[in-house]
Amino acid sequence: GAVVSQHPSWVICKSGTSVKIECRSLDFQATTMFWYRQFPKQSLMLMATSNEGSKATYEQGVEKDKFLINHASLTLSTLTVTSAHPEDSSFYICSAREGGSGGAEQYFGPGTRLTVT
Amino acid sequence: QKEVEQNSGPLSVPEGAIASLNCTYSDRGSQSFFWYRQYSGKSPELIMSIYSNGDKEDGRFTAQLNKASQYVSLLIRDSQPSDSATYLCAVNIPLYGNNRLAFGKGNQVVVIP
Repeated sequence: GAVVSQHPSWVICKSGTSVKIECRSLDFQATTMFWYRQFPKQSLMLMATSNEGSKATYEQGVEKDKFLINHASLTLSTLTVTSAHPEDSSFYICSAREGGSGGAEQYFGPGTRLTVT
Repeated sequence: QKEVEQNSGPLSVPEGAIASLNCTYSDRGSQSFFWYRQYSGKSPELIMSIYSNGDKEDGRFTAQLNKASQYVSLLIRDSQPSDSATYLCAVNIPLYGNNRLAFGKGNQVVVIP
């Protein structure tokens, strides 16, 4: 159980275009999903927290108009990187937390490697 | 003070030995503690969770929690080359709600055959 999928697993796009990444909880309902970014040899950086049906909460320094998050259902959250630039190239990972009486465990998706040329 | 600290550098252990990883945290209100394993180029995988003081064993892994001293540790017994990875300590931060986790920078473990 507790499987989280992400799509696509990797994407290459041109500077100025937008990219959408999907995160799905496959066997549980995720009231909260988290989006992280990880640069090579660095730790996870939390970008935003999203709750189903409400606006995402962004971490300081993360541009909400650039990284659009939609948590439309209990099993799906999307991250759209708008007007991507080479410095946005990174490993984007989502995680999901089960709702209800579930604990604080976060289950991670396999990640999406974004390369902006 | 960082929310979660993992200070030791890369850890090299011979195959079959015990690898010991330590982590300290700053928020006394934290109640949930996790260890994740991350292979190079992959996303983190939850391997242990612990909520009460004391030890919790799962296979070759043992997590130890001491809330009074605000530290949590992970022992890997009979280390195998497949255990070579970065291990992330994670602690919930109640202040932020949503059971947001704070992650340490990670400890790289290299098991030498």
